[in-house]
Amino acid sequence: GQSLEQPSEVTAVEGAIVQINCTYQTSGFYGLSWYQQHDGGAPTFLSYNGLDGLEETGRFSSFLSRSDSYGYLLLQELQMKDSASYFCAVITGRRALTFGSGTRLQVQP
Amino acid sequence: EPEVTQTPSHQVTQMGQEVILRCVPISNHLYFYWYRQILGQKVEFLVSFYNNEISEKSEIFDDQFSVERPDGSNFTLKIRSTKLEDSAMYFCASGPPLTSRTDTQYFGPGTRLTVL
Repeated sequence: GQSLEQPSEVTAVEGAIVQINCTYQTSGFYGLSWYQQHDGGAPTFLSYNGLDGLEETGRFSSFLSRSDSYGYLLLQELQMKDSASYFCAVITGRRALTFGSGTRLQVQP
Repeated sequence: EPEVTQTPSHQVTQMGQEVILRCVPISNHLYFYWYRQILGQKVEFLVSFYNNEISEKSEIFDDQFSVERPDGSNFTLKIRSTKLEDSAMYFCASGPPLTSRTDTQYFGPGTRLTVL
């Protein structure tokens, strides 16, 4: 089976940088994705890592180390609208997403 | 920008009744998925569909569930005899052809199913 661990809650202030870590155990690993979900909304794709290293998309970056079964999402220049839940999700060879339990990010003024 | 659409947004049903949840994936996508999210919990994979057949399903996707792509645009999830524990938000997602650089799934807004 698959399991993912990420912190349940993180709090930060506007303008700060926050890192959300994710460790995983899985078979047939294909890649690691990150999704954002606002309360009552659908998951929205943020980033994907299929290879080791850093992927940057605007204020968001994501990192993967396959040898350590570890990744993180880095959010820079935090804004109030970034308050949401963030999920890491592993992709297996058949493309199904297995989500972690989510990290609730609260951005304070 | 193209998006995944789902109907209805909210479905209330009695235990034991059949429900059909409908999705229109993004038009040039080839991979289709159903996920569910019980209130306050994580998103859980149900089933993936490619080339007109199920490519993978989870333990949750038992005999009471079925999926269909009845025409070129719709993708449906049928729950045959609903149980109280089927109450959840059901998300449809679709994905474009694989590339080496990215693997993205686009989620619809969800259907909230309430079983009474």
